[in-house]
Amino acid sequence: GNSVTQMEGPVTLSEEAFLTINCTYTATGYPSLFWYVQYPGEGLQLLLKATKADDKGSNKGFEATYRKETTSFHLEKGSVQVSDSAVYFCALSEENYGGSQGNLIFGKGTKLSVKP
Amino acid sequence: EPEVTQTPSHQVTQMGQEVILRCVPISNHLYFYWYRQILGQKVEFLVSFYNNEISEKSEIFDDQFSVERPDGSNFTLKIRSTKLEDSAMYFCASKQTGARALFGPGTRLTVL
Repeated sequence: GNSVTQMEGPVTLSEEAFLTINCTYTATGYPSLFWYVQYPGEGLQLLLKATKADDKGSNKGFEATYRKETTSFHLEKGSVQVSDSAVYFCALSEENYGGSQGNLIFGKGTKLSVKP
Repeated sequence: EPEVTQTPSHQVTQMGQEVILRCVPISNHLYFYWYRQILGQKVEFLVSFYNNEISEKSEIFDDQFSVERPDGSNFTLKIRSTKLEDSAMYFCASKQTGARALFGPGTRLTVL
C-alpha cells in the first residue's frame, strides 16, 4: 500500500541554520506530494506541493523537489527563523484525475524547534 | 481565501457518550474528508464523502462513526459511544475537483 516515511524528530536548530527534513514515499501510481505545517495550537496548513516528477514546490523560503528515481520529497530551507518552529508533515495523494478521491496519506510528522 | 471552519474547538465528553463534530466546508467544494490526529501521532484518514455518500473509509471508521451532510452546508462526524482512545484532534477538509484539500483548524476531542 501507499505510505510516507519521514525522518524522526525532534529537530532543534539555531536561527539561520540550514534545514533538511527527509521524506520518502511508496506509491503504486503517480502521486502528488505535499508538505503540511502545523504551528502550535493550530490546524494543518498546506506549505507546498508538487504534482509530477522533477517539479519543485516552494513557499516561504521552503523548497522540495519531487524525485521519482529516489521516491523522495525532502523539505529544505536555507535559513530558518524562530517562527518556523512547528510540526511538518509530508503527505501524498494518489489523485484520480476523474476527480473522485485524493485522500491524503501523512507521515508521522517532524517537530522543528528553532532557537534564537 | 475562503476557510473551512469547525466547531467546537474543544469538546470534552464522558466515555460512552455521543458526540457530533461540525464542519462547514468551502461552499463550492464537492469532496469532504475527516482526519484525526491522536496526540503525538500522525494524521490519519478516516473517511471521504462525495455526492451525499461515503466514497472511502479507513479501518478506523467503524460502526461507531457516521458522517452526514444534513443541510448542504454542514458536514458532521458523529461518534455514537465514545471511547478513551477516541481522544484526538479531528480535522475536516474539503476540496474541489483536481484541487488541493483545505483543512479546518480542528476540534480537540477529550474523552474522560
